[in-house]
Amino acid sequence: KAGVTQTPRYLIKTRGQQVTLSCSPISGHRSVSWYQQTPGQGLQFLFEYFSETQRNKGNFPGRFSGRQFSNSRSEMNVSTLELGDSALYLCASSSQGPGSEQYFGPGTRLTVT
Amino acid sequence: QQQVKQSPQSLIVQKGGISIINCAYENTAFDYFPWYQQFPGKGPALLIAIRPDVSEKKEGRFTISFNKSAKQFSLHIMDSQPGDSATYFCAASPNAGNMLTFGGGTRLMVKP
Repeated sequence: KAGVTQTPRYLIKTRGQQVTLSCSPISGHRSVSWYQQTPGQGLQFLFEYFSETQRNKGNFPGRFSGRQFSNSRSEMNVSTLELGDSALYLCASSSQGPGSEQYFGPGTRLTVT
Repeated sequence: QQQVKQSPQSLIVQKGGISIINCAYENTAFDYFPWYQQFPGKGPALLIAIRPDVSEKKEGRFTISFNKSAKQFSLHIMDSQPGDSATYFCAASPNAGNMLTFGGGTRLMVKP
């Protein structure tokens, strides 16, 4: 089976712009979670989608949003970018319900200038 | 606050030695505890995971020890190899969803 894929892999944006990142989960997986990884804050949970519904949300401002499509693919959007949004954004997929194994994609490296 | 505390931050081990990384948590709602390995430029890769109904789980050279009463768990890497040099993260998740809370990470270097 193909793994989790994320596009684009690298992105450079300017402060104030918005960005959309895409994630395709492992075939058959219905849960997609998003995480932000930075040197200062480490790995932090953003949100989880299951069957097109947001099931859980982390402690991030409303500028961070996401959605999931009927084929389980997911997108996350960050509006009004700030310098502090520069990070590696990771997507993880899992097959079952809560507490199941999560498999991560390679991430999208976002740089905000 | 839901936290997972991981130690040490960095670890140097000789080839063939045992690497030990420890994690502690406070939230008793956590019931799934995975360990991830991350190489530079890559996403975290699931190594091994445990649930609170067992005290130890072994897969190859990797063993998780779990102490429910102390709310601690640890990763042991036996016969450590230079290829094991990476950053290791412990994590925890409640049964209510797939929202992992990660430890701060341990940078492991295995010297040949």
